[in-house]
Amino acid sequence: KNEVEQSPQNLTAQEGEFITINCSYSVGISALHWLQQHPGGGIVSLFMLSSGKKKHGRLIATINIQEKHSSLHITASHPRDSAVYICAAIPLGSRLTFGEGTQLTVNP
Amino acid sequence: SAVISQKPSRDICQRGTSLTIQCQVDSQVTMMFWYRQQPGQSLTLIATANQGSEATYESGFVIDKFPISRPNLTFSTLTVSNMSPEDSSIYLCSVQGLPGSNYGYTFGSGTRLTVV
Repeated sequence: KNEVEQSPQNLTAQEGEFITINCSYSVGISALHWLQQHPGGGIVSLFMLSSGKKKHGRLIATINIQEKHSSLHITASHPRDSAVYICAAIPLGSRLTFGEGTQLTVNP
Repeated sequence: SAVISQKPSRDICQRGTSLTIQCQVDSQVTMMFWYRQQPGQSLTLIATANQGSEATYESGFVIDKFPISRPNLTFSTLTVSNMSPEDSSIYLCSVQGLPGSNYGYTFGSGTRLTVV
């Protein structure tokens, strides 16, 4: 069992839909990243959070430390949001541990 | 905010040859991390590069295959040696704690390697 699990693995949505990607982890963490990877391979950090909720534009990330769960929400999705979204936990005293990623496709 | 420049962005190489990937950070950092992402897989840490000492390799990765240089606090290279088609992957460098990152991780733009 992976220490970081994401769901769903693949997600197809219509433009404008509200999207949720979930991440569960089984270890104690100091923080958690939500990353976005475009087809070229480069990775951008969307959020790093250790508690509560963060918002940036149409993106919202939440984390519940007690339940060891985090979610990434995209409101009013757009085709340019199509990418792989990766949850990456920073375990206490250790290095990044990655989820398997969620391939999001937003159709016009 | 601080930036990582990685190059080349992609390459197609013949088996048996070697490719060196460069990673330049615009701020001094203690540790740089090199990752491999095989097709359809998540990222796997290859090694951690510290300035002034040998890189620390993860299980399954060896220095002869993936030699790393770290000549100063802003630059590192990863070489993929004696390549085979199984080395076809995306390779990424990463650092932690750049100014403005709140001790988070920042990634390079990746090198997409295809070995034929």
